[in-house]
Amino acid sequence: QVQLVESGGGLVKPGGSLRLSCAASGFTFSDYYMSWIRQAPGKGLEWVSYISSSGSTIYYADSVKGRFTISRDNAKNSLYLQMNSLRAEDTAVYYCASMLKVNGPPFPYYWGQGTLVTVSS
Amino acid sequence: SYELTQPPSVSVSPGQTARITCSGDALPKKYAYWYQQKSGQAPVLVIYEDSKRPSGIPERFSGSSSGTMATLTISGAQVEDEADYYCYSTDSSGNHRGVFGGGTKLTVL
Repeated sequence: QVQLVESGGGLVKPGGSLRLSCAASGFTFSDYYMSWIRQAPGKGLEWVSYISSSGSTIYYADSVKGRFTISRDNAKNSLYLQMNSLRAEDTAVYYCASMLKVNGPPFPYYWGQGTLVTVSS
Repeated sequence: SYELTQPPSVSVSPGQTARITCSGDALPKKYAYWYQQKSGQAPVLVIYEDSKRPSGIPERFSGSSSGTMATLTISGAQVEDEADYYCYSTDSSGNHRGVFGGGTKLTVL
């Protein structure tokens, strides 16, 4: 069955960096777009970024553009999110999600359980 | 930036029909998707492309879209349907950047 397991979260100071990983199994990772979505404590979902199956197409939310970098390693069935210049408002649970394409654009389908990132001094 | 608007809360009694709306200017041209998130859990897709139900989702969940509004309908809501529900769509820029609505807390009691 599909499994997405995020790791790499933790406590980091403002201005610091963190790299999240998402290990995928149970499906052909290289065939699917992937995305990162976050949820601040007690708040709603916020789309962060997605990457195409080959890695050639990438988009970011305005709130993280220029600070976050999404990447993937299809040989390792892994998705990454490099987060730099972190701010308190980046504090959230970060979910990775595989994206499914049917008739319209790809959309988040399977979700991992998330990893918590806390930005605080 | 593009926004999707949902009511903060909806409340129904068990067995009643719950309707959760999502409004957005691009919805006439873009699909709507709906996710259910129970407390402490990851979101689960319940409706995709306006009205399609993934396998394993009960038939009481249905979706529709007309003009600038999409609607998630839960016919005969059960206590176990109590959760936060989020609509999702893409902006009109053509690059498929995603956006979520603010979420609706469904109370069934």
